[in-house]
Amino acid sequence: DGGITQSPKYLFRKEGQNVTLSCEQNLNHDAMYWYRQDPGQGLRLIYYSQIVNDFQKGDIAEGYSVSREKKESFPLTVTSAQKNPTAFYLCASIQTTGVTNEKLFFGSGTQLSVL
Amino acid sequence: AQSVAQPEDQVNVAEGNPLTVKCTYSVSGNPYLFWYVQYPNRGLQFLLKYITGDNLVKGSYGFEAEFNKSQTSFHLKKPSALVSDSALYFCAVRRFGGGSYIPTFGRGTSLIVHP
Repeated sequence: DGGITQSPKYLFRKEGQNVTLSCEQNLNHDAMYWYRQDPGQGLRLIYYSQIVNDFQKGDIAEGYSVSREKKESFPLTVTSAQKNPTAFYLCASIQTTGVTNEKLFFGSGTQLSVL
Repeated sequence: AQSVAQPEDQVNVAEGNPLTVKCTYSVSGNPYLFWYVQYPNRGLQFLLKYITGDNLVKGSYGFEAEFNKSQTSFHLKKPSALVSDSALYFCAVRRFGGGSYIPTFGRGTSLIVHP
């Protein structure tokens, strides 16, 4: 089955620790995105990448970092600089070149909590 | 700036009754509008989209949405609600900027269908 896989499903972070959330897609999509979901605030864009080896800050990038070394992978690191990391994190992808059906595909999410 | 607003945090409807989940948009140029649904602890799933053409768009699970340019609205509708429709619904718009494709979401509306 084609899709997006996020891991782990649950993650706990200790004070001062960096943690990395994994996102892998086998849809051959060009663009990938990371969103943060907090109750009542909808989805807020953290980072996005339109092509390999390139990425852009979204609306709430402070305290986060990403890489896009391979087309299928877009890991998100939550650094110790992110003082309120507890949230549900969603990875998404879409085909943006050639024929696009304008449909965004999502992973099942990672719930990050602070110990 | 391209954005969408969902004025209702929660919508309650009895099973079998018609439902409407509201969305208004603020877009310069022609809007690309979408509806997604999220079930608990899962990623979002695409329901339908409006790019151009007929103002009434049909999507998955019997949902439809009406694009109204004069009222800048894109309300989600279903003629007869099911208990299984209970979920979180997000309206979204495609933001354009510097050649980038940036999906931007509203805050979400919780739909509760009572038996």
